[in-house]
Amino acid sequence: SQQGEEDPQALSIQEGENATMNCSYKTSINNLQWYRQNSGRGLVHLILIRSNEREKHSGRLRVTLDTSKKSSSLLITASRAADTASYFCATDRSGSGSRLTFGEGTQLTVNP
Amino acid sequence: GAVVSQHPSWVICKSGTSVKIECRSLDFQATTMFWYRQFPKQSLMLMATSNEGSKATYEQGVEKDKFLINHASLTLSTLTVTSAHPEDSSFYICSARDLLAGGTTSTDTQYFGPGTRLTVL
Repeated sequence: SQQGEEDPQALSIQEGENATMNCSYKTSINNLQWYRQNSGRGLVHLILIRSNEREKHSGRLRVTLDTSKKSSSLLITASRAADTASYFCATDRSGSGSRLTFGEGTQLTVNP
Repeated sequence: GAVVSQHPSWVICKSGTSVKIECRSLDFQATTMFWYRQFPKQSLMLMATSNEGSKATYEQGVEKDKFLINHASLTLSTLTVTSAHPEDSSFYICSARDLLAGGTTSTDTQYFGPGTRLTVL
């Protein structure tokens, strides 16, 4: 069964606004990764945060990880219409042999 | 950057036939590849782990005789859906780990293929 839960399931914002998506998980992890998927397409790797890291930045993306709460957040700043996509978190659980468990995903719509 | 390709990108077949999907790492070697399936508006579900030179490891509930996996080289894994039925219609996605970059799980990054959409009539 899926371990990750993401909220919100859907998010609609205006261009220029910030978008925040959250992910929760249940077991110990080696790392947590965020991916983006455009409709009907493959996944694009956005950012990986290790279990001993608390925050990571990449361009307009900011990811936080709170292992005590078993949660992570993805912030997209100054959103653009091209950011419209589904965003998934995926956990690399301890002892899983690098098998990823994906969250349910957040469908982000950025209106121009 | 690391590129993973899949072939075909889409396939339509009749019920009862078998379909083979290829997953290739184009510019790196991958000892391990993963196969996922994704139903519309749902998340990815891991089906199996494909290991070069050995048998695949299947997730609970995935029939190994239904979904045959072969990982014959460091750059190619194939998934064959045998005796396909309409309920097998789905989006199948593979991913690959970079052999050189994946030294420790804490730095592991998987690269995903573009997916194969299977429709069984």
